[in-house]
Amino acid sequence: ILNVEQSPQSLHVQEGDSTNFTCSFPSSNFYALHWYRWETAKSPEALFVMTLNGDEKKKGRISATLNTKEGYSYLYIKGSQPEDSATYLCASDPYSGGGADGLTFGKGTHLIIQP
Amino acid sequence: NAGVTQTPKFQVLKTGQSMTLQCAQDMNHEYMSWYRQDPGMGLRLIHYSVGAGITDQGEVPNGYNVSRSTTEDFPLRLLSAAPSQTSVYFCASTTKGGTGELFFGEGSRLTVL
Repeated sequence: ILNVEQSPQSLHVQEGDSTNFTCSFPSSNFYALHWYRWETAKSPEALFVMTLNGDEKKKGRISATLNTKEGYSYLYIKGSQPEDSATYLCASDPYSGGGADGLTFGKGTHLIIQP
Repeated sequence: NAGVTQTPKFQVLKTGQSMTLQCAQDMNHEYMSWYRQDPGMGLRLIHYSVGAGITDQGEVPNGYNVSRSTTEDFPLRLLSAAPSQTSVYFCASTTKGGTGELFFGEGSRLTVL
């Protein structure tokens, strides 16, 4: 079983501030790194799926980077808004099956944006 | 487009009872999986399937059975419910040859007394 670690566990940020959090994963047997956004009472939704070392992806004010050699990914949120409040999950896909064998999830970072 | 549909959304069972959590997807995805979410834990893989007639165990399979008779459906059976199976269960699917991005159902909250 691979360990995927996320930090911090929770984070309070003032509206308008930028923030970032970390996901670390085993760098061996790596195929892809996923980020999901999970709002209360809803189901997780994919933000990014990243496979290449040095890859950077962006969706609006949210971006992510990937370092497969050292086994970490950062998620950045620029100019936080109340609607960004959610739990952010990262997950490792260690095989080339593209999610066929399931993913290994971290425990998540719970982000609260304070007006 | 319904996506991934799970039923029931809530269920209370007594210890020893059996039940089936239903999962259906209408996206023609080959890959389907079941996860459980417990406080302080990440989503943990219970069982997964790469196609009709093919299933395999994930990280925490004990006490659960699955079958995949069609591409669309992937039910999860609790054989004899235990309080340790109190959890929120998520079904997910993804397409073969894609990025592996998972599409989740809305979850089923199960309480075992």
